[in-house]
Amino acid sequence: KQEVTQIPAALSVPEGENLVLNCSFTDSAIYNLQWFRQDPGKGLTSLLLIQSSQREQTSGRLNASLDKSSGRSTLYIAASQPGDSATYLCAVNTGTASKLTFGTGTRLQVTL
Amino acid sequence: NAGVMQNPRHLVRRRGQEARLRCSPMKGHSHVYWYRQLPEEGLKFMVYLQKENIIDESGMPKERFSAEFPKEGPSILRIQQVVRGDSAAYFCASSPVGISGANVLTFGAGSRLTVL
Repeated sequence: KQEVTQIPAALSVPEGENLVLNCSFTDSAIYNLQWFRQDPGKGLTSLLLIQSSQREQTSGRLNASLDKSSGRSTLYIAASQPGDSATYLCAVNTGTASKLTFGTGTRLQVTL
Repeated sequence: NAGVMQNPRHLVRRRGQEARLRCSPMKGHSHVYWYRQLPEEGLKFMVYLQKENIIDESGMPKERFSAEFPKEGPSILRIQQVVRGDSAAYFCASSPVGISGANVLTFGAGSRLTVL
């Protein structure tokens, strides 16, 4: 059974700091891994999708890496801004064509 | 493109009543997924449907919960005789084909159910 863990559960950083969010999964047989952002009371916004054959993906100030053999992914946020404050979710697709397995998220607060 | 539309956004029910949550997938998407997010927990898969077919309902509680995706109209998640433990955010997602490879799920804004 796939289990996804995200560390830390919460993080507070001052504006401008670079930061790393961690995601680990127990079953390395995945199709892809996806990072989402969830704002309070809102839905999920997909940030980055990494295929199992890829090592990383970049979008603007965000960079996600994947080490499938060790069951780990990181989301790197450069030059953080208060607008980055949200909960970040990691989800893996084990290729069953039916469901993603989500972590419980990291709640990020970027302070002025 | 209006994205995945869910309604109602907020629903309040008393114990024993029925709750119906609706989801219209993105245009061109024929696969719908329902997830539930309990307070302070991660999203959990409930059910995967294609038009007129339930493909995987392994995450659905055995009683009181049902889902459908008719040929015409939105997908509906129905909860009968609601209890306080059903209070949660229910998210719908859609994809053009079953997720694998490069396919990405698009999520709706969710429906928040509160059971009094």
